[in-house]
Amino acid sequence: GEDVEQSLFLSVREGDSSVINCTYTDSSSTYLYWYKQEPGAGLQLLTYIFSNMDMKQDQRLTVLLNKKDKHLSLRIADTQTGDSAIYFCAGDRDDKIIFGKGTRLHILP
Amino acid sequence: DAGVIQSPRHEVTEMGQEVTLRCKLISGHNSLFWYRQTMMRGLELLIYFNNNVPIDDSGMPEDRFSAKMPNASFSTLKIQPSEPRDSAVYFCASSPTRGLTYTFGSGTRLTVV
Repeated sequence: GEDVEQSLFLSVREGDSSVINCTYTDSSSTYLYWYKQEPGAGLQLLTYIFSNMDMKQDQRLTVLLNKKDKHLSLRIADTQTGDSAIYFCAGDRDDKIIFGKGTRLHILP
Repeated sequence: DAGVIQSPRHEVTEMGQEVTLRCKLISGHNSLFWYRQTMMRGLELLIYFNNNVPIDDSGMPEDRFSAKMPNASFSTLKIQPSEPRDSAVYFCASSPTRGLTYTFGSGTRLTVV
């Protein structure tokens, strides 16, 4: 299977919370990341979590890490239209960052 | 700093032609990564450099692809000859430290007809 797996699409109503899930295979990653890609742009680092943490909160964003299950999630509270983008889960390995295929977040009015 | 700068933003070329994509790193960054993004395959790492030296080119699809870093701030990705299946968005990213955080350019959308 893929090194980093995430579902391809998610639709959420404006104002609701979005939860984007990711599973990874390499338990040796030191950092796990969430990147955001808006249309026509490159990826931007949204947040990252050190592998010995299980939660990180940054304003509307909450990252949860379950190392036992190799599961990473990104929760966006009070989802806005500007959150519409592709979200990439990633982990570092051998001096590289390995990305998932991305989850396209669609906001419903 | 203007960030990672890629040129051109869009390139349309005929099959068989040579294509050169360019990337200017952020000043002070010493790692450079070239990625290709397609709907089918997502984001694929093609090659990466550290201190101008290619470290891992295992993602380069074929001998038609080559990448260079003639100096610490600039890189090129060349495809010769180009084929329609090379159509994709090509990103470069740079990092001040190996394997930490990347800054991506805006990408070059390549269409080979």
